[in-house]
Amino acid sequence: GQQLNQSPQSMFIQEGEDVSMNCTSSSIFNTWLWYKQEPGEGPVLLIALYKAGELTSNGRLTAQFGITRKDSFLNISASIPSDVGIYFCAGQLWEYGNKLVFGAGTILRVKS
Amino acid sequence: GAGVSQTPSNKVTEKGKYVELRCDPISGHTALYWYRQSLGQGPEFLIYFQGTGAADDSGLPNDRFFAVRPEGSVSTLKIQRTERGDSAVYLCASSNGGPDTQYFGPGTRLTVL
Repeated sequence: GQQLNQSPQSMFIQEGEDVSMNCTSSSIFNTWLWYKQEPGEGPVLLIALYKAGELTSNGRLTAQFGITRKDSFLNISASIPSDVGIYFCAGQLWEYGNKLVFGAGTILRVKS
Repeated sequence: GAGVSQTPSNKVTEKGKYVELRCDPISGHTALYWYRQSLGQGPEFLIYFQGTGAADDSGLPNDRFFAVRPEGSVSTLKIQRTERGDSAVYLCASSNGGPDTQYFGPGTRLTVL
């Protein structure tokens, strides 16, 4: 089945630093999504990407849809304590309908 | 407005028992999804409803798992003869469009002793 490899598994960074995480897949996707999950909550959508090569920003977050359609990255600039959480990438392929395939997540901790 | 709600928030049961988990989607959302999230993992797709019918149930792990959405709104995920391996957070999401419009509920944490 489809699998997403997300890295790094966890990060412990200093407040103010930039963060980068990525996802790769052996399969192509039509849509890449990035979510953030906090304890006791469901994932919340941060950024959605629809076209190969697309670069999209949402405040301090920037994400790109890889040219091969098999990868995506998320950057967070000037991290702040409230960025703490688990970040998930997710892919969607039209042939499989609207269901999402998720990576295992990147745990982000910020030291202030 | 109200988001997706799930009840109960926590459920502890014994091996072999039957459980029902409920999802109330955002009003007017036609699509509803169930995912399962094990500790340290991302959500894993179980089943997707469009209206009242299950459009894709390919993620249900076995026939102990069943879900219904009789009136196209509230959905119930039913697990028979629970096993310890069923312990996880069960997430529900609803949508009124494409994959980028799935809004997740807070989940039900199921613990099977």
